[in-house]
Amino acid sequence: AQKVTQAQTEISVVEKEDVTLDCVYETRDTTYYLFWYKQPPSGELVFLIRRNSFDEQNEISGRYSWNFQKSTSSFNFTITASQVVDSAVYFCALGSGNTGKLIFGQGTTLQVKP
Amino acid sequence: EAGVVQSPRYKIIEKKQPVAFWCNPISGHNTLYWYLQNLGQGPELLIRYENEEAVDDSQLPKDRFSAERLKGVDSTLKIQPAELGDSAVYLCASSLAGGTSTDTQYFGPGTRLTVL
Repeated sequence: AQKVTQAQTEISVVEKEDVTLDCVYETRDTTYYLFWYKQPPSGELVFLIRRNSFDEQNEISGRYSWNFQKSTSSFNFTITASQVVDSAVYFCALGSGNTGKLIFGQGTTLQVKP
Repeated sequence: EAGVVQSPRYKIIEKKQPVAFWCNPISGHNTLYWYLQNLGQGPELLIRYENEEAVDDSQLPKDRFSAERLKGVDSTLKIQPAELGDSAVYLCASSLAGGTSTDTQYFGPGTRLTVL
């Protein structure tokens, strides 16, 4: 069975702190895809990153970085120097290489205080 | 480029009433998805369309839910009759392709349904 676990329900930090959001996944597929989405209070899910199972290179985009480790089935997301605008719910999702179906985690609510 | 459009954004109805949600995907996107998001949870797939064909509707409660995508573009999701437990956010997403590849799915703003 496929599953995504985001163990952190809520995280609260002060602006400019670094914060890491954890994501652990389970799948028997050899080809799969991992995603992170941001859901601000407006409700729309905003795509952040897509990573396939054959590419374990870490990625950096501005203040955002992602650490993909197949050995621990984890795909963690770090925000450096957090800002108030980063406050949102963040979802990690797993996509099957066969069906295209996305399995979402429960989400982590990040609150960045000024 | 316009994103996924959904309407209405909010809907409040009495239980046992019918309700419909509309979605217009990103231009050129062949695959369309409807998701249900309960409070404090991640989205869960209800149905996936490849053009006009519903290729995965295994999670759609067919006794009261129905969906259509007649011309392979816009889609409508209907609930009849609505129950209290249907209160949730209904999200529409689209992707360029589907099937054996997991293309990035782009989401609309959702419709927040409240059933009283």
